[in-house]
Amino acid sequence: EIVLTQSPGTLSLSPGERATLSCRASQSLSSSHLAWYQQKPGQPPRLLIYGASSRATGIPDRFSGSGSGTDFTLTISRLEPEDFAVYYCQQYDNSPTFGQGTKMEIK
Amino acid sequence: QVQLVQSAAEVKKPGASVNVSCKASGYTFRRNAINWVRQAPGQGLEWVGWINPYNGKTNYAQKFQGRVTMSTDTTTSTAYMELRTLRSDDTAVYYCARDWHPLSAKPYFFEHWGQGTVISVSS
Repeated sequence: EIVLTQSPGTLSLSPGERATLSCRASQSLSSSHLAWYQQKPGQPPRLLIYGASSRATGIPDRFSGSGSGTDFTLTISRLEPEDFAVYYCQQYDNSPTFGQGTKMEIK
Repeated sequence: QVQLVQSAAEVKKPGASVNVSCKASGYTFRRNAINWVRQAPGQGLEWVGWINPYNGKTNYAQKFQGRVTMSTDTTTSTAYMELRTLRSDDTAVYYCARDWHPLSAKPYFFEHWGQGTVISVSS
């Protein structure tokens, strides 16, 4: 099983700031098979990024993904109030697994 | 638009079984696999398994093999997940999620999600 480790566990930032979230895989992911999701309380997750760097339909361009191999990053260029949520990475190189999540909170 | 509508919340006793349904609309049901993902209270996401409605092929997470069965009814565009021998740590919200890749041979990532079904296991 591929283990994904996200850091930090909690990120405290203010609206307008830049956010950088990390996801590290226990083994190299071929073809950058990594996705990112946003989840707000009481809602299902929302797909943000797939293929490590491709934005899903309707996702604002302030969200960007990068990385390859074992190290991946989700960047939110300027935080909007609605961006404060929990973020998960997910690999689909083999049986899907998720990271434990990063909670983005308002500072 | 793509919609996945799940069955209502259930309360079960340890050792019982539960069957959760997921009715799809807004697309050709047979073209995209359905995944099941669960989330225990206050916890992260856990993939349970995948079923391809086109050919009935399934792929279960090792943790659930022997205890879970996924199926589909293509006449009603509905996917089902049965989980047996329930334990208290099966208490969670169970989501169905449509796989992004059409006619895929394996699970990918999840573009559309159901609203979730709360399953509570308690004596």
